[in-house]
Amino acid sequence: DAMVIQNPRYQVTQFGKPVTLSCSQTLNHNVMYWYQQKSSQAPKLLFHYYDKDFNNEADTPDNFQSRRPNTSFCFLDIRSPGLGDAAMYLCATSLIRPGGETQYFGPGTRLLVL
Amino acid sequence: KNQVEQSPQSLIILEGKNCTLQCNYTVSPFSNLRWYKQDTGRGPVSLTIMTFSENTKSNGRYTATLDADTKQSSLHITASQLSDSASYICVVSPDNYGQNFVFGPGTRLSVLP
Repeated sequence: DAMVIQNPRYQVTQFGKPVTLSCSQTLNHNVMYWYQQKSSQAPKLLFHYYDKDFNNEADTPDNFQSRRPNTSFCFLDIRSPGLGDAAMYLCATSLIRPGGETQYFGPGTRLLVL
Repeated sequence: KNQVEQSPQSLIILEGKNCTLQCNYTVSPFSNLRWYKQDTGRGPVSLTIMTFSENTKSNGRYTATLDADTKQSSLHITASQLSDSASYICVVSPDNYGQNFVFGPGTRLSVLP
């Protein structure tokens, strides 16, 4: 059964045209993350939500925004995509608890900017 | 600075052979270390997770080791299969309650027939 679901799997957008990627989870985890991964590179954390608390990484461009309307859903909004934003976008979840936590990843959304 | 390094960057082996991937980290404090397998175009999938007190953890043909004193980990793949072709990422978490994960750059493994 899918636990972290990302839609769409592939997204094509035009330069400067806003785009929204979605992530949902059935794990009831309290933390949700968005990563950007470019070819042959490690995932780079953009931001994460701990419950409703939003935590932005210092070097995440303002062009990237996120929303978490409830525990299950989290959205990544790219306000004005540039060619350099073409990448795989990974959503992940984890449950913060004593003794450590496991992070579960979704299958990713590959974004192409034309 | 918290960092995770992996070697080799890429590796090519023949089907049926064994291989070992390395991970060195400078993350402190240390909570746990995990190995992920990431197929091309897919999200990472967890293979093993080890805490400070664990020296080894197996998952089928995958065996991970951890030396917390030297801050080194290895992932050994036995009797490789074509489906093992993927990137293997070492990730270290610095604390129990943290929301921080430090990713290594990954090792790209190609298994040839």
